[in-house]
Amino acid sequence: DGGITQSPKYLFRKEGQNVTLSCEQNLNHDAMYWYRQDPGQGLRLIYYSQIVNDFQKGDIAEGYSVSREKKESFPLTVTSAQKNPTAFYLCASRTTGDGYGYTFGSGTRLTVV
Amino acid sequence: GQSLEQPSEVTAVEGAIVQINCTYQTSGFYGLSWYQQHDGGAPTFLSYNALDGLEETGRFSSFLSRSDSYGYLLLQELQMKDSASYFCAVRVFMTTDSWGKLQFGAGTQVVVTP
Repeated sequence: DGGITQSPKYLFRKEGQNVTLSCEQNLNHDAMYWYRQDPGQGLRLIYYSQIVNDFQKGDIAEGYSVSREKKESFPLTVTSAQKNPTAFYLCASRTTGDGYGYTFGSGTRLTVV
Repeated sequence: GQSLEQPSEVTAVEGAIVQINCTYQTSGFYGLSWYQQHDGGAPTFLSYNALDGLEETGRFSSFLSRSDSYGYLLLQELQMKDSASYFCAVRVFMTTDSWGKLQFGAGTQVVVTP
């Protein structure tokens, strides 16, 4: 079945450490996105990529970095510069066709202690 | 700036009808989407309205009035499995992507009771 896989589901890290969240899709979608979700808030866009080797900052990119070396993969690194990294991170993809919906992964809950 | 307003929580009994309103203030508006998210899970796409009017898909319907910057999601014949968060999201213009981007509301927690 096609979909988006995020791993791991739960991640714990010590303050000051960088951590990379994995996002893999087998939907053959061109566009991919990273969102952050905090309790009681909507999803906020961190980074997005429309094609391989290209990505753009979203609304809250500070303290994060991404890469897009393959169409299927869009990993997100939460760096030590991110002041409040504990959150639920969601990866999504979208076809460049006529569909208007995003497909989301199941998310990674990152806790920094 | 851009803003979306939706109620934080709605409670209803099984079999009832629930309407979740969403008002927005934004520029470069393309359309309004709705997503469902169960606790700790992936948001799933429910509907998209680009034109004024009502779109019906099974028990769920979505409405848009572009002139009023307003839309709603209607959940009919509520079932226990409908207990979830529902997000409205506006698709808006973005200079770096011709498709635009989605801007999400804070979500409405729907609680269905027996």
